[in-house]
Amino acid sequence: AQSVTQPDIHITVSEGASLELRCNYSYGATPYLFWYVQSPGQGLQLLLKYFSGDTLVQGIKGFEAEFKRSQSSFNLRKPSVHWSDAAEYFCAVGDSGGYNKLIFGAGTRLAVHP
Amino acid sequence: SAVISQKPSRDICQRGTSLTIQCQVDSQVTMMFWYRQQPGQSLTLIATANQGSEATYESGFVIDKFPISRPNLTFSTLTVSNMSPEDSSIYLCSVQTLSSYEQYFGPGTRLTVT
Repeated sequence: AQSVTQPDIHITVSEGASLELRCNYSYGATPYLFWYVQSPGQGLQLLLKYFSGDTLVQGIKGFEAEFKRSQSSFNLRKPSVHWSDAAEYFCAVGDSGGYNKLIFGAGTRLAVHP
Repeated sequence: SAVISQKPSRDICQRGTSLTIQCQVDSQVTMMFWYRQQPGQSLTLIATANQGSEATYESGFVIDKFPISRPNLTFSTLTVSNMSPEDSSIYLCSVQTLSSYEQYFGPGTRLTVT
């Protein structure tokens, strides 16, 4: 069965610092991978996705993620964090068997210090 | 992308009653999904809403408790029946576009059962 692990429940960084949020997945084939962000009281916004091809993918808001098959990882990065990046971040894996239902990780809550 | 609206945005309901949540998208989509996000938790898929056929439910969710309708390619409803306080959650609708495997989420319906 597919699963997604986000090892860090809560991360705090200073504004301007770099950020890396970890995501590990379990899936038998090449997965469809996603990162979403949820701001307080908001729905989920798609940051970026990986289906195939270049393993370094660029997303919105200056985020990028790198797919590493050997490590079953899809970590999210940003070189310089802004206070507005404080939110909950979810990694998800898509089921490529016919339709794309998503399995979500537990989420990582990001706090940004001024 | 797709623009998704949900009604109501929030509600407070009494135990034993039912609430129907509507999801409207601004374009035709192949798949619509309903997720539940319990307080402080990640998202769990309830069911996939198929146009013209019965919804497909995930393990732990049943049609009698969460009946779903999908009358056309832009609209779906989820009913939470015979509610108990344990049903207090955010319910989110998502859609998958015809041209990609990306999923976009509505703003969610925050349900509190007293």
